[in-house]
Amino acid sequence: LQLQESGPGLVKPSETLSLTCTVSGGSISSSAFYGGWIRQPPGKGLEWIGNIYDSGSTYYNPSLKSRVTISVDRSKNQFSLELRSVTAADTAVYYCARLTVGVTYYFDYWGQGTLVTVSS
Amino acid sequence: QSALTQPRSVSGSPGQSVTISCTGTSSDVGGYNYVSWYQQHPGKAPKLMIYDVSKRPSGVPDRFSGSKSGNTASLTISGLQAEDDADYYCCSYAGRYTLFGGGTKLTVL
Repeated sequence: LQLQESGPGLVKPSETLSLTCTVSGGSISSSAFYGGWIRQPPGKGLEWIGNIYDSGSTYYNPSLKSRVTISVDRSKNQFSLELRSVTAADTAVYYCARLTVGVTYYFDYWGQGTLVTVSS
Repeated sequence: QSALTQPRSVSGSPGQSVTISCTGTSSDVGGYNYVSWYQQHPGKAPKLMIYDVSKRPSGVPDRFSGSKSGNTASLTISGLQAEDDADYYCCSYAGRYTLFGGGTKLTVL
């Protein structure tokens, strides 16, 4: 299984950051799929952004909840992140990851990450 | 929801053992056996090393082990090797949320 993030590398303040994660090596429409977005500001640690479950349910970091939407397009084997009203504090490497859940919980496959810079 | 607490740095010589702690609360680390650990080398994506507190994914050396006591989880790396020099992050399920630790820089001397 491979995951690959894509989207603009530069976003202006107050605008919307939109990223897509394309899953290859497996179909997310033919079997249960759970995914997450995690980000890492330059020189800092990992921050969980949110998850989307196979049911379509979404769970978000409370600190970002008012600005985040995660969605899935099973026909394209993709899931997406939208972060609205961005500021310089949203500059980070953004990772998508497959989440394995059940009587377990972990991110086992990660994308390589994509750097998004918020600047005018 | 606050980040899990990890030491900023630990170090050890080749062949030695080191332990990295990850402290949370009864609502996250202490409440579920869903703690995972990730290794990250500079410029690379995180790699899963331990899941469900103490389970190792296929391909991860048995030098890596995990445990938990109360609200604190631990990652132990025995027989340190140069390639273990990296950042390590713990992660815990917390019901509707997921928490990461602040990260620990492991230096192999």
